[in-house]
Amino acid sequence: GENVEQHPSTLSVQEGDSAVIKCTYSDSASNYFPWYKQELGKRPQLIIDIRSNVGEKKDQRIAVTLNKTAKHFSLHITETQPEDSAVYFCAALDYKLSFGAGTTVTVRA
Amino acid sequence: SAVISQKPSRDICQRGTSLTIQCQVDSQVTMMFWYRQQPGQSLTLIATANQGSEATYESGFVIDKFPISRPNLTFSTLTVSNMSPEDSSIYLCSVNDLVGQSYGYTFGSGTRLTVV
Repeated sequence: GENVEQHPSTLSVQEGDSAVIKCTYSDSASNYFPWYKQELGKRPQLIIDIRSNVGEKKDQRIAVTLNKTAKHFSLHITETQPEDSAVYFCAALDYKLSFGAGTTVTVRA
Repeated sequence: SAVISQKPSRDICQRGTSLTIQCQVDSQVTMMFWYRQQPGQSLTLIATANQGSEATYESGFVIDKFPISRPNLTFSTLTVSNMSPEDSSIYLCSVNDLVGQSYGYTFGSGTRLTVV
């Protein structure tokens, strides 16, 4: 089955700086890669996703890149703000969604 | 995107008892999923709830422990049976539906279960 690895496990950035989270996957058949943001005590919220026929996608301050050859994808958050502080999960879909272990992002004011 | 109502939002249960969690969606969806999120951990798929047939369980999860019903295209239940403290987790239902202009997976608000 699919195995998704996510790094780093924790990330502390100064407000206004960029944050980058990286994930690798094992199953070349995976074709959909969403990113979720989970604030404390709340449900995971889909923030951006990318499909295997696209190399990059951007939505305001958030972007995701996908390298199918290397089987890795990354989340980029620019101009970070305190409200970006949360746990972020990457996931990959083959026949089911498999999640990475999560990255706790702390934005220092 | 679909609005998912999940209840109860939280419960404290005695070991050996069972709890049934309900998931209601405001639109018909083909696939519904049940996840477990242990404290401080990631999300793990328990099973896929299929309308009109038995649920499909992932490795490590069995029907006797986590029976699932899916009577129609908008509703599903997950029962956590014969609970032990190790079952203390957040349980989330999820559906695949239109999010913006593409299909994605959205989650209910979760049920925080504590077994004492």
